[in-house]
Amino acid sequence: QVQLQESGPGLVKPSETLSLTCTVSGGSISSYYWSWIRQPPGKGPEWIGYIYYSGSTNYNPSLKSRVTISIDTSKNQFSLKLNSVTAADTAVYYCATSPTWALGRAFDIWGQGTMVTVSS
Amino acid sequence: QSVVTQPPSASGTPGQRVTISCSGSSSNVGTNHVYWYQLLPGTAPKLLIYRNNQRPSGVPDRFSGSKSGTSASLAISGLRSEDESDYYCATWDDSLSSVVFGGGTKLTVL
Repeated sequence: QVQLQESGPGLVKPSETLSLTCTVSGGSISSYYWSWIRQPPGKGPEWIGYIYYSGSTNYNPSLKSRVTISIDTSKNQFSLKLNSVTAADTAVYYCATSPTWALGRAFDIWGQGTMVTVSS
Repeated sequence: QSVVTQPPSASGTPGQRVTISCSGSSSNVGTNHVYWYQLLPGTAPKLLIYRNNQRPSGVPDRFSGSKSGTSASLAISGLRSEDESDYYCATWDDSLSSVVFGGGTKLTVL
């Protein structure tokens, strides 16, 4: 059974870049879609974007100018970079995977999430 | 505000059946599959329903989904205390070119 684990700094300063990594265990990253989703405190989840194992990406248009998702098949990891962060980017960040038939639009396995706070 | 609307809260007593609605438009719920997730703080979110009414293996048959037009519903029968959680519907929005989540429904088991 595939398991996902997010890692990265829990505190990021305003205007800096948020960087998170998701490590995939129990299966190969060389298939399926790999996504990032976040949930600000007290709000519903927000889809950030996905990367297909081949490297193609699709981002939420509202975040597209600030987001980069990349994949490292040799390490079985994929990563999120969100630049120019503000307090509005404070959230629990989840990584998740999608079966191929879902085209990255549904998420059947999630990580436990990691809280990232943007503050000076 | 989300383009997909859910009631903020729902409640029921053990053994009861509760339904959570998810209302959208022709650009999202009306033309794309709906998915339901259970989110509990501190735990990995769980996919409960995919493609409107399909249950992943391991999800009890107490959970069921349906869709008609621009609305979808999640029904939970035989309510249990462990069902107390936040539930979110999600779908693709053709106009926004994005996955959209509903605002969420907090289910309380009385």
